[in-house]
Amino acid sequence: GQQVMQIPQYQHVQEGEDFTTYCNSSTTLSNIQWYKQRPGGHPVFLIQLVKSGEVKKQKRLTFQFGEAKKNSSLHITATQTTDVGTYFCAGRTGGGNKLTFGTGTQLKVEL
Amino acid sequence: DSGVTQTPKHLITATGQRVTLRCSPRSGDLSVYWYQQSLDQGLQFLIQYYNGEERAKGNILERFSAQQFPDLHSELNLSSLELGDSALYFCASSGLRDGTFNEQFFGPGTRLTVL
Repeated sequence: GQQVMQIPQYQHVQEGEDFTTYCNSSTTLSNIQWYKQRPGGHPVFLIQLVKSGEVKKQKRLTFQFGEAKKNSSLHITATQTTDVGTYFCAGRTGGGNKLTFGTGTQLKVEL
Repeated sequence: DSGVTQTPKHLITATGQRVTLRCSPRSGDLSVYWYQQSLDQGLQFLIQYYNGEERAKGNILERFSAQQFPDLHSELNLSSLELGDSALYFCASSGLRDGTFNEQFFGPGTRLTVL
């Protein structure tokens, strides 16, 4: 079945440093979504990417969908303590209804 | 607040027992999803319902079942519970736009502990 892997699994950064998480799917995706889960909280939708090579920005967050639609990345510029949490990508194939969540990257930001 | 409600918040039970988790989707959302989140397994998709009908199935055990009622709330039934079933169970809901399901809104989750 479809697998979605994320690296790294964990990342500790100093506040102000940049952070990137990478998402790789075993199959071509029709679209990819990104979610953030704060410690003790529930996943919250961040963004959806649909087109090959698409790049979207939300303030300090930059999301990219690969040309082959099998990988994606999330880059955070100048991390802040409010960025702490686990970031999940979630891919959908074809016209399917199922979202396959990635393994997640847990981000810790130290002052 | 996502607009998705789940009850109970916490549930502690013994092995072999049966429990029911309840979810009410956001107003207007016809689709409900159930996920299991364990410490070492991330978010595992269990099952999706759309307007009362099963729409997609993931890694749901035969001991688990779900349904969506006419008022669109959903229940996840877990039976013959085992220690390994201890996890956080999330419900999410989404709408449909242009034939594609939109982003999912997650509830606060039910933490199940099986002793």
